[in-house]
Amino acid sequence: DTEVTQTPKHLVMGMTNKKSLKCEQHMGHRAMYWYKQKAKKPPELMFVYSYEKLSINESVPSRFSPECPNSSLLNLHLHALQPEDSALYLCASSQANTLDEAFFGQGTRLTVV
Amino acid sequence: GQQVMQIPQYQHVQEGEDFTTYCNSSTTLSNIQWYKQRPGGHPVFLIQLVKSGEVKKQKRLTFQFGEAKKNSSLHITATQTTDVGTYFCAGFSYNTDKLIFGTGTRLQVFP
Repeated sequence: DTEVTQTPKHLVMGMTNKKSLKCEQHMGHRAMYWYKQKAKKPPELMFVYSYEKLSINESVPSRFSPECPNSSLLNLHLHALQPEDSALYLCASSQANTLDEAFFGQGTRLTVV
Repeated sequence: GQQVMQIPQYQHVQEGEDFTTYCNSSTTLSNIQWYKQRPGGHPVFLIQLVKSGEVKKQKRLTFQFGEAKKNSSLHITATQTTDVGTYFCAGFSYNTDKLIFGTGTRLQVFP
């Protein structure tokens, strides 16, 4: 199994809502990532988890809260988002660290209204 | 901070023509990876280069890593419509301990 699965594929939420994005991989990878991608732009790193511990937080606003319940799962909890947070949110995993090939999920297309 | 720029931003070619995208980093890189993202899709890993001056080939794709490990290129010979997408380089620096994506080159191939 060489897939990274993200749910939901699409999400529309209001600015007062709380929602969560989910990511799952069964490749035994120990590094997992959240990226944000705006249209026609490169993916921007948000968070890195290494061996289930948060190792990098790219100064992301606290309305985004990551969680890594176990080595296969990665969540991104969303609360009080702004319309400018609308984007494609990509989860990725790699074997051990950033030097390894990254496998990306198909992403969650988020619209904040 | 570290920046990774790619040129050109867009390239339109006739099917069968060659295509090259160039990647330039403001800092020396430990390695460089290349990804392809189809329209509406997600980035898919193509290759990783590690050594100074390294050249790797995958069928019609040729990847190079510069001698100074600050630039890289991807060359596609005889493009096909299946090559359509955005090509990103992504550089890793031990200084930042992060993989930074380049700005991307969007390739359109006309039949």
